[in-house]
Amino acid sequence: AQSVTQLGSHVSVSEGALVLLRCNYSSSVPPYLFWYVQYPNQGLQLLLKYTTGATLVKGINGFEAEFKKSETSFHLTKPSAHMSDAAEYFCAVSVRNFNKFYFGSGTKLNVKP
Amino acid sequence: GAVVSQHPSWVICKSGTSVKIECRSLDFQATTMFWYRQFPKQSLMLMATSNEGSKATYEQGVEKDKFLINHASLTLSTLTVTSAHPEDSSFYICSAVPGGLANYGYTFGSGTRLTVV
Repeated sequence: AQSVTQLGSHVSVSEGALVLLRCNYSSSVPPYLFWYVQYPNQGLQLLLKYTTGATLVKGINGFEAEFKKSETSFHLTKPSAHMSDAAEYFCAVSVRNFNKFYFGSGTKLNVKP
Repeated sequence: GAVVSQHPSWVICKSGTSVKIECRSLDFQATTMFWYRQFPKQSLMLMATSNEGSKATYEQGVEKDKFLINHASLTLSTLTVTSAHPEDSSFYICSAVPGGLANYGYTFGSGTRLTVV
């Protein structure tokens, strides 16, 4: 079975500060891991994903995440927050050939000027 | 790239009526599609797996008679909320998976905001 835990339902950072959103997963088989961003009343936009290969994954808008198998983590980071980054972020896990996604509870990012 | 289209993007209906939401894979065939539901300020929860040409598989706790799923072709799945009530108001998102790792994860619909009054 797969599950995702996102620590911190709300994270607040100042503009220009480091963004760190935490995600831990549980999976009985090698997982595929994803981060999505959702703006109010909109669908999901894929930020980045890990399927195979390099464990440090770079995505859109300056975000990156590192798959750490030993820690079962896939934390999302961005060196310098921008006001436009304010949104809700979801971590998700999936398994090849099953195609279902299991989402974390979400982290709402607030960026202060 | 692979695109999933969902329609309508929002709908308001009266309590007791039924509402149909469509999910289409525009440039690929999808034998399997998924329906998710997102309550306000909550995460997305998988409701059901839609299989082309066969019955849908529902997650535990989801009423199959209330949420009718039809996957009549390789590019279309529909979710019908029957006898809708205000507690059915939610954001519904579909997903499909084309072949290839490059497309994996991209194919969520843009969602349908259902409001039952």
